[in-house]
Amino acid sequence: GDSVTQMEGPVTLSEEAFLTINCTYTATGYPSLFWYVQYPGEGLQLLLKATKADDKGSNKGFEATYRKETTSFHLEKGSVQVSDSAVYFCALWYNTDKLIFGTGTRLQVFP
Amino acid sequence: DVKVTQSSRYLVKRTGEKVFLECVQDMDHENMFWYRQDPGLGLRLIYFSYDVKMKEKGDIPEGYSVSREKKERFSLILESASTNQTSMYLCASRFLGIGELFFGEGSRLTVL
Repeated sequence: GDSVTQMEGPVTLSEEAFLTINCTYTATGYPSLFWYVQYPGEGLQLLLKATKADDKGSNKGFEATYRKETTSFHLEKGSVQVSDSAVYFCALWYNTDKLIFGTGTRLQVFP
Repeated sequence: DVKVTQSSRYLVKRTGEKVFLECVQDMDHENMFWYRQDPGLGLRLIYFSYDVKMKEKGDIPEGYSVSREKKERFSLILESASTNQTSMYLCASRFLGIGELFFGEGSRLTVL
């Protein structure tokens, strides 16, 4: 069945470092892909999305490119801030009732 | 602005109590969902609803029930709370046929 695999956390970085959080997926068709972010004590918010191959989603300095050939949707940011500390979830949706989530990756950014 | 509101941010209940978690959305979304979130397990779907008075079991429905009498409101019910139901509960909604979910802020339930 469809699934999403994320890198295990926590990812620990210093402020202004480059961030990559890996996400790969397995799907029978061509899903839409999402990154959600969860700040401490809050629910999930949509960070960015891509609906077809080679699309790039971007928001708040974060980017992710939908790579069909490698079935990946890695999240990147050129210079992280302390305020980016959160849990990040990769997810896919393909013409079903459910959004399928990865297990989440915790990012900790230190000054 | 899109809004999903969960009635209680924090609850403490005793084993065996009946627990109601309420969720209201103001976006006229057809679909609504209840997830629980636990460390290391990510989000697991408990129940979802296509529309009013409709419900479908998710991946972990045991010990839970739901009610959707009005389009904007989706309630999660724990008939007899147990300690293994201590968790963060997240409500979400979306338009029919669109993948993107909108989440509430979550309800952290502790069962003693």
